[in-house]
Amino acid sequence: GDSVTQMEGPVTLSEEAFLTINCTYTATGYPSLFWYVQYPGEGLQLLLKATKADDKGSNKGFEATYRKETTSFHLEKGSVQVSDSAVYFCALSGEGFKTIFGAGTRLFVKA
Amino acid sequence: GAVVSQHPSRVICKSGTSVKIECRSLDFQATTMFWYRQFPKQSLMLMATSNEGSKATYEQGVEKDKFLINHASLTLSTLTVTSAHPEDSSFYICSARSPSGRTDTQYFGPGTRLTVL
Repeated sequence: GDSVTQMEGPVTLSEEAFLTINCTYTATGYPSLFWYVQYPGEGLQLLLKATKADDKGSNKGFEATYRKETTSFHLEKGSVQVSDSAVYFCALSGEGFKTIFGAGTRLFVKA
Repeated sequence: GAVVSQHPSRVICKSGTSVKIECRSLDFQATTMFWYRQFPKQSLMLMATSNEGSKATYEQGVEKDKFLINHASLTLSTLTVTSAHPEDSSFYICSARSPSGRTDTQYFGPGTRLTVL
């Protein structure tokens, strides 16, 4: 079945550092890909998405490009802030529009 | 953007009681809603897919008699945890799918934290 694998955390960075969180997927067909963010004690917020190969999703300085050839959707941000500290989930939506989530990567950003 | 609400946001109950969680799409009609469960520091696990006017489709390993799902209208789905036990304590999150063509857009509720004593 469909699955999402993302790098294990936690990831600890200093403010203004470059962030990469790796995400790869396996799926039949052509899924849509997403990154969600969850702040402590809160629900999920959609961060960005891409619906077809080579699409780039971007929001709040975060970017991810749908790479069909490497089945990847890595999340990047050029300069992280303390307020970016959260758990980030890579996800795909495929058959039946079910969303399959990765395990989540916890990010800590130090001032 | 579209908003999905959940009620209650937190609930504490005694073992053996039943708890109902509501999920509402506030400004769109959702033909499909999903229920997820999240254990502490873990990912979301899909429990079931709820389609308006029909029986929910449960994922493997989810007890349908324990987690009753009703999708009575295009804006409301409910999850009832029957005879709750401490191991049912978890964060329950719903999402609603906005039927906007091919683009798959799901909107997530803020979650309901259930604690069973």
